[in-house]
Amino acid sequence: SQTIHQWPATLVQPVGSPLSLECTVEGTSNPNLYWYRQAAGRGLQLLFYSIGIDQISSEVPQNLSASRPQDRQFILSSKKLLLSDSGFYLCAWSWDRGSNSPLHFGNGTRLTVT
Amino acid sequence: AQTVTQSQPEMSVQEAETVTLSCTYDTSESNYYLFWYKQPPSRQMILVIRQEAYKQQNATENRFSVNFQKAAKSFSLKISDSQLGDTAMYFCAADGSSNTGKLIFGQGTTLQVKP
Repeated sequence: SQTIHQWPATLVQPVGSPLSLECTVEGTSNPNLYWYRQAAGRGLQLLFYSIGIDQISSEVPQNLSASRPQDRQFILSSKKLLLSDSGFYLCAWSWDRGSNSPLHFGNGTRLTVT
Repeated sequence: AQTVTQSQPEMSVQEAETVTLSCTYDTSESNYYLFWYKQPPSRQMILVIRQEAYKQQNATENRFSVNFQKAAKSFSLKISDSQLGDTAMYFCAADGSSNTGKLIFGQGTTLQVKP
């Protein structure tokens, strides 16, 4: 069976500090990988999408970046955090079989920028 | 651009009763999928049910069913025999674009099941 791991679960960082959130998927190969952000009490906003190693699509302009150094590893980064980067970040994966595949989410990371 | 709208920010229902959550969407895709996700207080996103636009039959998963009105672009979720464990935020989602798996989410409806 497939599992998705996301860490850390909670993170408090000062403004201007760097960020690295990591997500790994087990039990499948060549998954589509996603980073979503959920602001407090709001819906999910797609940040990045990847269909393969080093293939990243950015959905919204921001000071965040994503990388996929390995097939089942997806990393969300920032060189300098802003207050507006606070939120709940969710990593997800799906089969690379098109729209029939639902998203499977990790447990999320609650990021607070102070 | 695809959009998903949930017009009910909060709803409540008595335990064992039935509740319907509304969702409307807009898409230019000819074939697409629609989803309902549940986010309990633990914040874990859980797939509740999905519907393929080409299928006229409404999807059903145990106590959860949908009313899919393609012409009206409406995709409501009905929860029967509500249980306390159904208390959660519910998100409607639609494909962002063909064959990518990217989903566009609505703003969510917070459902409180009361004992």
